[in-house]
Amino acid sequence: NAGVTQTPKFRILKIGQSMTLQCTQDMNHNYMYWYRQDPGMGLKLIYYSVGAGITDKGEVPNGYNVSRSTTEDFPLRLELAAPSQTSVYFCASSSRDRGDGYTFGSGTRLTVV
Amino acid sequence: GESVGLHLPTLSVQEGDNSIINCAYSNSASDYFIWYKQESGKGPQFIIDIRSNMDKRQGQRVTVLLNKTVKHLSLQIAATQPGDSAVYFCAEKLGGGGNKLTFGTGTQLKVEL
Repeated sequence: NAGVTQTPKFRILKIGQSMTLQCTQDMNHNYMYWYRQDPGMGLKLIYYSVGAGITDKGEVPNGYNVSRSTTEDFPLRLELAAPSQTSVYFCASSSRDRGDGYTFGSGTRLTVV
Repeated sequence: GESVGLHLPTLSVQEGDNSIINCAYSNSASDYFIWYKQESGKGPQFIIDIRSNMDKRQGQRVTVLLNKTVKHLSLQIAATQPGDSAVYFCAEKLGGGGNKLTFGTGTQLKVEL
């Protein structure tokens, strides 16, 4: 199993550009999450999904959108990128109502200039 | 709890010594807690977890202690090794559905030879 795969690993965007961060998991997990991690800070939840067709906002959803058309994929869309969105983004998945089900991807480092 | 700023708290220990990393959590209703390890350039990895009906749980070289009275969590690493050098995060499970976690700011552990 590949686990949770994120692409791209690195990206530089100009202010106002848009992009989609891809996340896919092959563990048949129902729950998926997007977190952002700023330097020296903990992870902040952006959006999460409890199953295909269901998404909900986390702590810091502004400036982002998600979709969950399949169990495997949970892309994160940035519209009109801003410097405040410079961060490392982690996708994670979970199959049980316990945190030890969290499997994280390796992250996408995004810089908005 | 949360901290502002760009510099993580740092704990430096000698190889072979025991390490103790502390975490203050925020929600007295949280019933599940996890410690994660994050090496540079990688996503967080599960270390050990504990439910609120326990005070202590032991794993291989690691022990988690929970003090619900003061909302405090600690991770003890025995015989610290260079491979233990990483950032360590505590996380608490929020209420409601979706198995959402809130992460602490993190502590940088540096193991000196």
